[in-house]
Amino acid sequence: AQSVTQPDIHITVSEGASLELRCNYSYGATPYLFWYVQSPGQGLQLLLKYFSGDTLVQGIKGFEAEFKRSQSSFNLRKPSVHWSDAAEYFCAVGEASNYQLIWGAGTKLIIKP
Amino acid sequence: NAGVTQTPKFQVLKTGQSMTLQCAQDMNHEYMSWYRQDPGMGLRLIHYSVGAGITDQGEVPNGYNVSRSTTEDFPLRLLSAAPSQTSVYFCASSYITGGVGSPLHFGNGTRLTVT
Repeated sequence: AQSVTQPDIHITVSEGASLELRCNYSYGATPYLFWYVQSPGQGLQLLLKYFSGDTLVQGIKGFEAEFKRSQSSFNLRKPSVHWSDAAEYFCAVGEASNYQLIWGAGTKLIIKP
Repeated sequence: NAGVTQTPKFQVLKTGQSMTLQCAQDMNHEYMSWYRQDPGMGLRLIHYSVGAGITDQGEVPNGYNVSRSTTEDFPLRLLSAAPSQTSVYFCASSYITGGVGSPLHFGNGTRLTVT
């Protein structure tokens, strides 16, 4: 069955430190991969997406993600986090033939001052 | 630019009551969808629509109805509320061109409690 796993429920990072959020997927077809961010009390906003081509994709707010087919992973990274990055981050997977995304359970990012 | 507007923001229902969650978008998006968000479970698709007059079921459709009479509006109806429907509900829309690759635009959610 198709699934998305975000192994870390919470991650705490000091302001200015680097960040990596993990996402692993199980999907039969070539996946479309997404990272969304949800600020408290808000809806979700797209950070970045991967369909094909260069496996390192750049997104908004200084985030990037790398697709590794051999590891079925699409980890999100940022070199230096800011207090405003505190939010919940969701990884999602889909395929071109339908409109149904499969979502991970989310990782809550906490920033230490 | 309003984007995706959901009303109400909060709602408390008693078991067995019915209600409609409203969703409207002003971006002329063909695709609209309803998700529920529960702690530790991410988002689960309830129903979706790829255009006026066309709706389809998602992963968790039981207990919910939808209709799409206009491009702009996509209301979600709870027929007989149950405590298991306590959740945060999100409406999302996108252009249909590009299929699942088109970015979803989300509303700010409706927090529903069923007692």
